[in-house]
Amino acid sequence: AQKITQTQPGMFVQEKEAVTLDCTYDTSDPSYGLFWYKQPSSGEMIFLIYQGSYDQQNATEGRYSLNFQKARKSANLVISASQLGDSAMYFCAMREGPAGRRALTFGSGTRLQVQP
Amino acid sequence: DVKVTQSSRYLVKRTGEKVFLECVQDMDHENMFWYRQDPGLGLRLIYFSYDVKMKEKGDIPEGYSVSREKKERFSLILESASTNQTSMYLCASNSFLAGGFTDTQYFGPGTRLTVL
Repeated sequence: AQKITQTQPGMFVQEKEAVTLDCTYDTSDPSYGLFWYKQPSSGEMIFLIYQGSYDQQNATEGRYSLNFQKARKSANLVISASQLGDSAMYFCAMREGPAGRRALTFGSGTRLQVQP
Repeated sequence: DVKVTQSSRYLVKRTGEKVFLECVQDMDHENMFWYRQDPGLGLRLIYFSYDVKMKEKGDIPEGYSVSREKKERFSLILESASTNQTSMYLCASNSFLAGGFTDTQYFGPGTRLTVL
């Protein structure tokens, strides 16, 4: 079974509107972390936001927020007031288990295009 | 700021050649990772290392080996390159021992390898 599922291969949004990128995950470990990364056409992976499984509040970082619904095992990224520079690939990733010597499992990504 | 560098942005090699991809980080991170990125598959872990001379296989280690002789440097080796190893290779590093609340992975710019 897929550990991380991103069901939207591509999304379009108008500049200045909000957009939600979906991510569902699958783990039986009570301790885990969820990450979102942005990959512009230049190729570098840019860390956006983190949510720990025990965090009580949804994470926010500037225009990015993470809609964490633990019972539904979803961790959607919300980008408010989209900008042209937000056009990129977005990856959801999970670390299973507590932080330490652990790698990430990535979803297949969503390509977001912001239209003027 | 964390800086992860990779020896080449673009590389073209012939089938059967031995290929070295180098990654260097300047933040004294104990963990380093090599991922491979292919369209529609997201990032997949090849190997990671949690200390000098220590390594663990990831999801797709076949055809690859790694070397970590110094803490800041992690090398990925393709012993005999094949055309199915044409891909984007991303190196990352992180630390949890530094006392942070997360173990965010920081990525290098990537190496796009073509094997002819």
